[in-house]
Amino acid sequence: SQQGEEDPQALSIQEGENATMNCSYKTSINNLQWYRQNSGRGLVHLILIRSNEREKHSGRLRVTLDTSKKSSSLLITASRAADTASYFCATIWDPNAGGTSYGKLTFGQGTILTVHP
Amino acid sequence: KAGVTQTPRYLIKTRGQQVTLSCSPISGHRSVSWYQQTPGQGLQFLFEYFSETQRNKGNFPGRFSGRQFSNSRSEMNVSTLELGDSALYLCASSYTGGPNYGYTFGSGTRLTVV
Repeated sequence: SQQGEEDPQALSIQEGENATMNCSYKTSINNLQWYRQNSGRGLVHLILIRSNEREKHSGRLRVTLDTSKKSSSLLITASRAADTASYFCATIWDPNAGGTSYGKLTFGQGTILTVHP
Repeated sequence: KAGVTQTPRYLIKTRGQQVTLSCSPISGHRSVSWYQQTPGQGLQFLFEYFSETQRNKGNFPGRFSGRQFSNSRSEMNVSTLELGDSALYLCASSYTGGPNYGYTFGSGTRLTVV
């Protein structure tokens, strides 16, 4: 089963605009990661934020994490047509689950982002 | 540094057959995880191997199995294929499969069962 919900399910914007995607999760986590997937290909790791961090930046990406609300957001600034893809959040390592966390990323349903030139 | 290599890229099989998929992790990575991606269920965890041992398993029937070799390469096998097994199968490698490292995914194997 999926960890939680991503919002919105689909987002359509113009080049140059900012795109914000939200993710909620259900269990305690060690860290949360965001991935991008182009047209049913493999997943590309974008950014990892640890449970003791509140905000992280990487280039045009900004991720926030609110563990009290069990939610995260991904902001892509000044979007480009090449950013068109599906974006997934994934949580890892429920500290209460012990060994059953090994190698297990739990994904949201994803947000389909379309950036129009 | 070579990425994660999955073979084959595409497969078409008939119901009832079996299939074996291969995943070669990044050199030095000892953990390999497998995922199934379908439009209806999204990305679901199948199992994880570390040092030739299965450490974790998702909620899939016993028809889905895997193994890992001493060079960390991993294979997954699906027996008695069903139409619902049609999916993109992704593997991911990591140093330890723990919480402190990122995961690198392969490009996937697209399996179609007819």
